[in-house]
Amino acid sequence: SQQGEEDPQALSIQEGENATMNCSYKTSINNLQWYRQNSGRGLVHLILIRSNEREKHSGRLRVTLDTSKKSSSLLITASRAADTASYFCYTGNQFYFGTGTSLTVIP
Amino acid sequence: KAGVTQTPRYLIKTRGQQVTLSCSPISGHRSVSWYQQTPGQGLQFLFEYFSETQRNKGNFPGRFSGRQFSNSRSEMNVSTLELGDSALYLCASSSASGYNEQFFGPGTRLTVL
Repeated sequence: SQQGEEDPQALSIQEGENATMNCSYKTSINNLQWYRQNSGRGLVHLILIRSNEREKHSGRLRVTLDTSKKSSSLLITASRAADTASYFCYTGNQFYFGTGTSLTVIP
Repeated sequence: KAGVTQTPRYLIKTRGQQVTLSCSPISGHRSVSWYQQTPGQGLQFLFEYFSETQRNKGNFPGRFSGRQFSNSRSEMNVSTLELGDSALYLCASSSASGYNEQFFGPGTRLTVL
C-alpha cells in the first residue's frame, strides 16, 4: 500500500507567512521523516519524528505526529524565498515517498 | 564525511541501449537504495542493497537490475531502454535500513531518445 501522501499538492505563500503541509499514511510506523527537494536535485533530510513523539522542533520547522489518525504535519514558520522546494514525507515502510507538496514562497 | 556521489550526472541514450549508473554511499553506510523520479509518477522505489545483497525490491520490470560491491558502492543497470525510462535516478545511503535517515546523491538525469 502507498505510504506518505502529502496535502496540498501545491502551496503558494508570501515571504514571511507560515506554510503548513500534511501527510497521511496507512500502516504502523517506526518513525516519520520529512525531506526537501530543490528543483531537479537530490532530497535533503529535514527532520525525523519517532512514533512515540507527538511534536518536534528544529529551527523554523515544527512537525507533529498523530499516530491515531496516521497523519503528520510540517509547519515552516516565517517562510523565505529559499524555502521554495518540494517537500516529501517518508515512513521507511517499503521505501515509499509521497508525491510531495510543491511550496512556492513569493518574495 | 563526503556525501553521496552519483556518476554520471547526465546521460543521453537511445532506445534499445543499456545504461549503468553508479552510486558511492557515505563512508560506513551499508544500505544503498535507488529511486526513479518522473514528473508523472513521483519518486518510485527501485531496490535496496545491504552488504552486497538485494534486501528490498520495488515494482519494476526485470530490465532494471542492480548490484552492490564489497565497498558498498552500488550500480544499477537498465537494459533495452525505453522512452519512458527518461527520469532522474536518485540513490540514497543510510547506516542500516530504510527507517534511518536517508542521504541522497544529486541524481543522474537520464534522457532516452
